[in-house]
Amino acid sequence: SQTIHQWPATLVQPVGSPLSLECTVEGTSNPNLYWYRQAAGRGLQLLFYSVGIGQISSEVPQNLSASRPQDRQFILSSKKLLLSDSGFYLCAWSGGTSGRSDTQYFGPGTRLTVL
Amino acid sequence: QKEVEQNSGPLSVPEGAIASLNCTYSDRGSQSFFWYRQYSGKSPELIMFIYSNGDKEDGRFTAQLNKASQYVSLLIRDSQPSDSATYLCAVTSGTYKYIFGTGTRLKVLA
Repeated sequence: SQTIHQWPATLVQPVGSPLSLECTVEGTSNPNLYWYRQAAGRGLQLLFYSVGIGQISSEVPQNLSASRPQDRQFILSSKKLLLSDSGFYLCAWSGGTSGRSDTQYFGPGTRLTVL
Repeated sequence: QKEVEQNSGPLSVPEGAIASLNCTYSDRGSQSFFWYRQYSGKSPELIMFIYSNGDKEDGRFTAQLNKASQYVSLLIRDSQPSDSATYLCAVTSGTYKYIFGTGTRLKVLA
């Protein structure tokens, strides 16, 4: 079966500090990977998606970036956090060798608070 | 801009009743439709998907799709307090992406 991990689970960071969130998927190969942000009381906003190693598509202009250094690893980064970066960050996967490309499954999420 | 609309609620139903959650979408090209359940502080969990017009049943859940009206619904029969959560509707946009609604908060009253 497939499993998706995210860490850390919670994070409190000062404004202007860097950020690195990691997501890994087990039990499938060549998945599509996604980063979403959910602000308090808001819907899910797609930030980035990746269909393969080194292939990143950005959905919204912002001070965040994403990388996919390995097939099942997806990293979300920032050089300098803003207050508006606070939220619940969710990684998701679809497709690969174990699923339909149109069905997304979410990891447990990272709750980020920027102070 | 492609959109998915949901009533934010809360929708309150008594225990044992049928809860009806609705969603409309703007992109006529959408092919796949999903319902996720999200408990407070947790990540979304896939509960139903539907691709064809009509009804699809899975246990106490029934998804209904009407592409002509661009309308998707989720019925929950015999609602339980444990069903209290926010329900997110998602539709595909292109090959890889979803558009999510903002969710409907359901409260099942014991």
